[in-house]
Amino acid sequence: AQKITQTQPGMFVQEKEAVTLDCTYDTSDQSYGLFWYKQPSSGEMIFLIYQGSYDEQNATEGRYSLNFQKARKSANLVISASQLGDSAMYFCAMREANRDDKIIFGKGTRLHILP
Amino acid sequence: DSGVTQTPKHLITATGQRVTLRCSPRSGDLSVYWYQQSLDQGLQFLIQYYNGEERAKGNILERFSAQQFPDLHSELNLSSLELGDSALYFCASSLGGGYNQPQHFGDGTRLSIL
Repeated sequence: AQKITQTQPGMFVQEKEAVTLDCTYDTSDQSYGLFWYKQPSSGEMIFLIYQGSYDEQNATEGRYSLNFQKARKSANLVISASQLGDSAMYFCAMREANRDDKIIFGKGTRLHILP
Repeated sequence: DSGVTQTPKHLITATGQRVTLRCSPRSGDLSVYWYQQSLDQGLQFLIQYYNGEERAKGNILERFSAQQFPDLHSELNLSSLELGDSALYFCASSLGGGYNQPQHFGDGTRLSIL
């Protein structure tokens, strides 16, 4: 079974609108971390935001926020006031405390911001 | 700029050859990770080193090997290269190995096998 599921292969959003990228995860661990990364067409992987399993508040970093619903095992990324430069591939990822230290990535969502 | 440096940025070689990819982690980071990104397999974890010692192994082929040196830089060696090894290879680093440590990625080495 997939550990990280991103159900939206591609999304088109109008500039300045907010966008939500979906991510669900599967783990039996109590301790884990959730991450979002952005990969522009140039190829680099950019760390955006982190949410720990024990964090009671949703993480925020500038225009990025993480809508964390632990019971649903959901960790959606919200980008407010989208910009043309937000067009990229977005990956949700998880690290489990009781496994080895690898990050497991979802297959990604390609986001297109329309002018 | 993530602070993680990977060289070279591009590598073109032929089947059967051997190449070495190099990674310098962010200053202060002790953990180094290697990932392979291909169109069909997505992002796959290969191997992790922590302070010079192998910590975790993922889907790394026997033809591939890695090491982390005392100055904490790491090298990924790929031998007997096949067409299917063409991919983007990322190095990432983190301060420690904990689950709450974000990994910061280099810009990757794009390997093309002809």
